[in-house]
Amino acid sequence: GQSLEQPSEVTAVEGAIVQINCTYQTSGFYGLSWYQQHDGGAPTFLSYNGLDGLEETGRFSSFLSRSDSYGYLLLQELQMKDSASYFCAVKENQGGKLIFGQGTELSVKP
Amino acid sequence: DGGITQSPKYLFRKEGQNVTLSCEQNLNHDAMYWYRQDPGQGLRLIYYSQIVNDFQKGDIAEGYSVSREKKESFPLTVTSAQKNPTAFYLCASSKDSHVELFFGSGTQLSVL
Repeated sequence: GQSLEQPSEVTAVEGAIVQINCTYQTSGFYGLSWYQQHDGGAPTFLSYNGLDGLEETGRFSSFLSRSDSYGYLLLQELQMKDSASYFCAVKENQGGKLIFGQGTELSVKP
Repeated sequence: DGGITQSPKYLFRKEGQNVTLSCEQNLNHDAMYWYRQDPGQGLRLIYYSQIVNDFQKGDIAEGYSVSREKKESFPLTVTSAQKNPTAFYLCASSKDSHVELFFGSGTQLSVL
């Protein structure tokens, strides 16, 4: 079978750093993506890791360890607008579909 | 402006009725996808299409049907065989099989 595990909820304060973990078990692995979704809105793409290591895009970074079937999204200098759901997603092969995790709801408090 | 458009935003289905959700994109993307999202849940893949006139079942295709007659359009029909259709439906597209999906704003389907 295939599964992606991520925490259901995370709470942090403005200005803090938060890490959202994702572990996966899939029949194949091509890469790990992260998406952000605000309440009632459409998911938007944040980052992608195809190789081991850290990818940085502004306040957001994403990490992948293929040997551990594990990745994380790191959000720095948290802002109230970062309150949203964050999904990890695995692409099993180059031409294949994207499988999403259940999502982590991040609440940023003042 | 390029983008992906879903309509309607809200849709109500009567028992035994088929309804069709529209998805149109002008991004010149080859691949298109339909996902279903239930409250507090992740996205589950219904159908996807990588080229015109071809599509594959996702994880929860039962009770749904699609067509891909044009590159720009990928309508989803929720048939009467889908017994629990109430959900938020999201259409997405991507260039070739790239990892970055562009999503529409979604259609909320409810049963009367």
